[in-house]
Amino acid sequence: EAGVAQSPRYKIIEKRQSVAFWCNPISGHATLYWYQQILGQGPKLLIQFQNNGVVDDSQLPKDRFSAERLKGVDSTLKIQPAKLEDSAVYLCASSLLSTGQGSGGEQFFGPGTRLTVL
Amino acid sequence: KQEVTQIPAALSVPEGENLVLNCSFTDSAIYNLQWFRQDPGKGLTSLLLIQSSQREQTSGRLNASLDKSSGRSTLYIAASQPGDSATYLCAVGKPGTALIFGKGTTLSVSS
Repeated sequence: EAGVAQSPRYKIIEKRQSVAFWCNPISGHATLYWYQQILGQGPKLLIQFQNNGVVDDSQLPKDRFSAERLKGVDSTLKIQPAKLEDSAVYLCASSLLSTGQGSGGEQFFGPGTRLTVL
Repeated sequence: KQEVTQIPAALSVPEGENLVLNCSFTDSAIYNLQWFRQDPGKGLTSLLLIQSSQREQTSGRLNASLDKSSGRSTLYIAASQPGDSATYLCAVGKPGTALIFGKGTTLSVSS
């Protein structure tokens, strides 16, 4: 079974530029998450989708970050304009079901995109 | 607000030792707890998932326990190997929500 795919793996941009990340979850997984992991910290949720609807985007800096999940499969996360503090690893995860629905709530992560903002 | 703490932050052991990694959380109303491994520059690999109705889970040399009443989980690694060197992350989840992570324990196993 193929895992969660993400691209690009690495991205270096200047501040105030824009950048986009792509995620393809495990086939059949209804729930998709984007997390931000700053060096030395655990991942923190940016946005959670259930199929193509947003479940939780309370921690997404909406003035600069946006995300969509068209057709309930692939997802893109965009930052515009980027700030120095956005330098981090952006992780995409998916689960068969949402937390609270048995073992189907187990989350599986992609390799991440390492973003450096200069 | 849920907070997850992992102790120690770093641990160095010689090959062959048995070791325990600790995870504590402030809100015991969780649904599940998941342990992950993260290698440098890589994503997270799921090691074990413990649902709130369970007390422990085992996979090979790994055993994870969960005590919701005390807000604690431990990850036991038996007969450690250099290949076990990585950062281990603990995360807790409530129904319908994403995971809340600790900062991790960085393990180094020397040969």
